Amino acid sequence: DSGVTQTPKHLITATGQRVTLRCSPRSGDLSVYWYQQSLDQGLQFLIQYYNGEERAKGNILERFSAQQFPDLHSELNLSSLELGDSALYFCASSVGGETYEQYFGPGTRLTVT
Amino acid sequence: GNSVTQMEGPVTLSEEAFLTINCTYTATGYPSLFWYVQYPGEGLQLLLKATKADDKGSNKGFEATYRKETTSFHLEKGSVQVSDSAVYFCALRDQPSNLNEKLTFGTGTRLTIIP
Repeated sequence: DSGVTQTPKHLITATGQRVTLRCSPRSGDLSVYWYQQSLDQGLQFLIQYYNGEERAKGNILERFSAQQFPDLHSELNLSSLELGDSALYFCASSVGGETYEQYFGPGTRLTVT
Repeated sequence: GNSVTQMEGPVTLSEEAFLTINCTYTATGYPSLFWYVQYPGEGLQLLLKATKADDKGSNKGFEATYRKETTSFHLEKGSVQVSDSAVYFCALRDQPSNLNEKLTFGTGTRLTIIP
């Protein structure tokens, strides 16, 4: 158990809908990262937050957004969903700064039908 | 940009066989290197890491050495077990001066160990 929690574990929804994925980082970790794992794209970095502020953006679509709240949990919002958005979405957390390890949650499997 | 090239799978070995999964990278300077493992139905677990050239990371019988001259970080284990069956990902993170904390992953190598 990494200490990172993600909910829900599975999500099935229809095209055009909007969903919210939630992540709680390990106690004491200030950085939260979101990654997408799909069969065709592999594991790709989406976005990072550090202590409530956006720090880095990767290959995140404009239909996707995220935020980190004062209690440090984070939410990834996916809207106008398409079939191609079906993937496993991972959250990871780290202390940040000079500590390099990122610890991953169990993921949320999103299926868009 | 940064990239990681990983040995194509799947790899199937008999129990107690020697394992090598190749990983090479492209990055400027001195990135940190990692191996993550993903067991069926689970998230990624950090297996081992190395943060500077010639460092050897090790954990659970697995080892990998950071070779700057060949830009490689090959994963090895002397005697694999059925419980090692999983998908293995090589990853890198930029050196600290680049202020880029994201991980860049290889495509993953699926390992199956048969009794």
